[in-house]
Amino acid sequence: GQSLEQPSEVTAVEGAIVQINCTYQTSGFYGLSWYQQHDGGAPTFLSYNALDGLEETGRFSSFLSRSDSYGYLLLQELQMKDSASYFCAVRDPPRDAGNMLTFGGGTRLMVKP
Amino acid sequence: ETGVTQSPTHLIKTRGQQVTLRCSSQSGHNTVSWYQQALGQGPQFIFQYYREEENGRGNFPPRFSGLQFPNYSSELNVNALELDDSALYLCASSAGQGARGYTFGSGTRLTVV
Repeated sequence: GQSLEQPSEVTAVEGAIVQINCTYQTSGFYGLSWYQQHDGGAPTFLSYNALDGLEETGRFSSFLSRSDSYGYLLLQELQMKDSASYFCAVRDPPRDAGNMLTFGGGTRLMVKP
Repeated sequence: ETGVTQSPTHLIKTRGQQVTLRCSSQSGHNTVSWYQQALGQGPQFIFQYYREEENGRGNFPPRFSGLQFPNYSSELNVNALELDDSALYLCASSAGQGARGYTFGSGTRLTVV
């Protein structure tokens, strides 16, 4: 089976840097994704790592270490609008049965002034 | 380009009833997946449709079924509703099964009483 662990809640102040960790145990692996979801909103794709290393997209960066089954999302220059839930998700390898995302339980980020 | 749209946004049903939820995928996207998100949890994969056929299914009973139409829109049907079916149902579309990221709709909030 698949399981992903991430902290349930993180609090940080505006302008700071925050790192949200994700560890996973999966029977198959084809990449680690990150999604942002505001209350009552749709999950929004942030980043995807298929290979080890750091991917940077503006204020957000994501890191993957496949040997450690570990990844993190780094948010810099935090803004109030970054207050949301963040989910890591593992993608199964493509196969005849399709490919699905298995999500972690989510990390609720609260940004304070 | 339009994103993923879902209808209705909210729905209240009685235990034992049947429900149909609808999803219009983003323009150019031919793959549609459905997820169930309980309050405070990450989305859980229900199934995926590609070229009008189900090609991947999560750990959900057969009373959860779906359709994909030639225009790539999709329906999720749930029979014999149970109280535990109360959740946010999310539709996600992608351009093929190898996409890096999925575009999610804002979901249908289903309450079973």
